[in-house]
Amino acid sequence: EIVMTQTPLSLSVTPGQSASISCKASQSLLQSDGVASLYWYLQKPGQSPQLLLYAVSRRFSGVPDRFSGSGSGTDFTLKISRFEAEDVGVYYCMQGLNLPRTFGQGTRVDVK
Amino acid sequence: EVQLVESGGGLVKPGGSLRLSCAASGFSFSNFNMNWVRQAPGKGLEWVSSISTRSNDIYYADSVTGRFTISRDNAKNSLYLQMNSLRAEDTAVYYCARDDLVCTSTSCYDRHLDYWGQGTRVTVSS
Repeated sequence: EIVMTQTPLSLSVTPGQSASISCKASQSLLQSDGVASLYWYLQKPGQSPQLLLYAVSRRFSGVPDRFSGSGSGTDFTLKISRFEAEDVGVYYCMQGLNLPRTFGQGTRVDVK
Repeated sequence: EVQLVESGGGLVKPGGSLRLSCAASGFSFSNFNMNWVRQAPGKGLEWVSSISTRSNDIYYADSVTGRFTISRDNAKNSLYLQMNSLRAEDTAVYYCARDDLVCTSTSCYDRHLDYWGQGTRVTVSS
């Protein structure tokens, strides 16, 4: 099983500022097509999780461009630029390379 | 608009059974692999099970293998999770979620768990 480790586990961000969350996989997530199978989800308070990014950096439909992803192999980063109050919630990374699909512990982000 | 609506959750005693349903609409259900993901109270996300379009490929987390059975009825646009021998640690909100495959002019990308339902709560307690 691939273990996903997120840091930090909590984060307070001033509106308008940037924030970054790190996600580290216990093995490379690189697929044969050269794309890493790494996803980011956001669970807003009281809501279901929603997909933000797939294939490391590809934004799901409707996701603002202030959300960006980077990384390769085992180390990945989600960056939130120009943080807004509506971005609060718990952010999860997930690997889609192997079953079982595994998630990071989650990073709780709130307004500073 | 893609919609996934779970139902069937509730309070059940340890050792009991429950069947969850997920009604899909707004997309061609039979063309998409589907999943169950759960979230214990105050905890993170745990993938539970996946099923392919024609039910040929089915996978389970070790924690539920032998006790849970995933199935689907493409004619009814519905996904199911039969849960037997329930334990206290199965207490969670259960979400159904869709997998997709998206292609550009040059590449195709898996897009796992792109849409989620609102969840149904399962509580296992005596």
